[in-house]
Amino acid sequence: EIVLTQSPGTLSLSPGERATLFCRASQSVSSSYLAWYQQKPGQAPRLLIYGASSRATGIPDRFSGSGSGTDFTLTISRLEPEDFAVYYCQQYGSSPPSTTFGQGTRLEIK
Amino acid sequence: EVQLLESGGGLVQPGGSLRLSCAASGFTFTSYAMTWVRQAPGKGLEWVSTISGSGGSTYYADSVKGRFTISRDNSKNTLYLQMNSLRAEDTAVYYCGRSVRYTSSSVGYFDYWGQGTLVTVSS
Repeated sequence: EIVLTQSPGTLSLSPGERATLFCRASQSVSSSYLAWYQQKPGQAPRLLIYGASSRATGIPDRFSGSGSGTDFTLTISRLEPEDFAVYYCQQYGSSPPSTTFGQGTRLEIK
Repeated sequence: EVQLLESGGGLVQPGGSLRLSCAASGFTFTSYAMTWVRQAPGKGLEWVSTISGSGGSTYYADSVKGRFTISRDNSKNTLYLQMNSLRAEDTAVYYCGRSVRYTSSSVGYFDYWGQGTLVTVSS
């Protein structure tokens, strides 16, 4: 099973600042099959990024994803008040078919 | 507009059973695999199970294999999760999600999610 480790656990920033979130896999993720989700309290997760760097429909371009192999990054270029939430990465390249999530990074207002 | 609406959650005793449903609308249901993901209170996301669009292929997390059964009724655009031999550690919000897969034998990522239904296993 591929284990995903997200860092930092909590990130404290102010609106307008740049946020960089990391996701490291215990083994290489096939073909960059990595996604990022945002979850706000009491809500379902929302897909932000798939294929490591492709933005999902309706996602603002201040969100960007990068990386390959075992190291992936989610960057929010300029934080808006609505961006403070928990973020999860997910790898979906496993064989036999399965998937795993990282433990999450909490992005909080400083 | 894609909509997923879960139902069937509630309080059940350890060892008991429960069946969750997820009603889908706004897309061609048979064209997509569907997935259940759960989230224990205050914890992260855990994949539970995925079923192919035809229902012919199913995949399970080790933690639920042999106890949970995923199924779908394509005539009703509805996904199900039959949960047997429930344990305290199965307590969670259960989300259904639409899977976008890169091959026919993968789980994929989840582009739409329902609002979730809470399952509490307690005596």
